[in-house]
Amino acid sequence: AQSVTQLDSQVPVFEEAPVELRCNYSSSVSVYLFWYVQYPNQGLQLLLKYLSGSTLVKGINGFEAEFNKSQTSFHLRKPSVHISDTAEYFCAVSEGTDKLIFGTGTRLQVFP
Amino acid sequence: DADVTQTPRNRITKTGKRIMLECSQTKGHDRMYWYRQDPGLGLRLIYYSFDVKDINKGEISDGYSVSRQAQAKFSLSLESAIPNQTALYFCATSDSVRAQQFFGPGTRLTVL
Repeated sequence: AQSVTQLDSQVPVFEEAPVELRCNYSSSVSVYLFWYVQYPNQGLQLLLKYLSGSTLVKGINGFEAEFNKSQTSFHLRKPSVHISDTAEYFCAVSEGTDKLIFGTGTRLQVFP
Repeated sequence: DADVTQTPRNRITKTGKRIMLECSQTKGHDRMYWYRQDPGLGLRLIYYSFDVKDINKGEISDGYSVSRQAQAKFSLSLESAIPNQTALYFCATSDSVRAQQFFGPGTRLTVL
């Protein structure tokens, strides 16, 4: 069965610092991987997705993620965060065009 | 106009009451999903439907039922609400080609 582990429940960081949000998954087959962001009091918005091809995926708002099949990871990175990046971030996996399995989320708090 | 809408956006109800949450979409997608979000638990799948005649239980379907009235409408019912069903509920849609899901704004349900 698939599962997704987000290793950090909270990540505090100062503005303009780099950040990495970690995500590991378990699956015995090829997967599709996603990062969603939830701003306060809003729904989920897709940041980026990996379906196939290049393992480095670029998303919106300057975020990127790298698919590492050998380590079954899909960590999200941004070289310089802004106050407006404060939100909850969810990693998710699917085994094709099917239902998503979500991680428990990482709350990114950006301080001035 | 929003592509995926949910009504109501907020609801407070009492234990034992029947309540229905509604979801409509204008994206023309065939697949629809209901999730609940709880702090520290991420999003968990309640039910999903791949077309009007297809209904499937998700990870946490006990205490819930659904109805797919049309391709564009997917309702979630709590037959007899209980306090541990207090949560944020999201509807999502996807098509059968891409794995990406599109989320509604959510319904905050409080059961007293």
